[in-house]
Amino acid sequence: AQSVTQLGSHVSVSEGALVLLRCNYSSSVPPYLFWYVQYPNQGLQLLLKYTTGATLVKGINGFEAEFKKSETSFHLTKPSAHMSDAAEYFCAVSHTNTGNQFYFGTGTSLTVIP
Amino acid sequence: DAGITQSPRYKITETGRQVTLMCHQTWSHSYMFWYRQDLGHGLRLIYYSAAADITDKGEVPDGYVVSRSKTENFPLTLESATRSQTSVYFCASEKDRVGEQYFGPGTRLTVT
Repeated sequence: AQSVTQLGSHVSVSEGALVLLRCNYSSSVPPYLFWYVQYPNQGLQLLLKYTTGATLVKGINGFEAEFKKSETSFHLTKPSAHMSDAAEYFCAVSHTNTGNQFYFGTGTSLTVIP
Repeated sequence: DAGITQSPRYKITETGRQVTLMCHQTWSHSYMFWYRQDLGHGLRLIYYSAAADITDKGEVPDGYVVSRSKTENFPLTLESATRSQTSVYFCASEKDRVGEQYFGPGTRLTVT
């Protein structure tokens, strides 16, 4: 069975500070991993994804994430938070054994304090 | 370039009524999905479709029906709406197997 755990349903950071959103997954086979962002009253937008290859993945808006197989983690980071980063962030896992089924975490709401 | 659209964006209905939520994509993506988003649960898959006339259940299919007669459309029907189906519903599409999913703007459904 697949599952995704996002530690911290709410995270607050000061503008300019490091953003760290945590995601751990459980999967019996190598996963595909995704981070999505959701702005208020909008759908989800892909930030970045890991399928194969380099374990450090860079995405849009200065975000990046590192796949750590030994820790079953895929944490999302950004060196310097911007006010426009305030949104809901979702981690998701999928792999070929589940076809196209994505399993989403419960989300982390990021607040950026000016 | 419309992408993926959903209608209506907001809907209020009464318990027991049938409701259909529409989803349309212009990319001719093979795969389409319906999710519901509830506080504390993230997104949960209701149904998905790998191609026209091929559909399959997701994590929470009870009380919902889907069809896909055309590649670009994937309507979701609540046959007899219940209050527990009050939620935000998202449609998504995907071009290839295990690739990126593209999401519509969502439909906020309230069942009174």
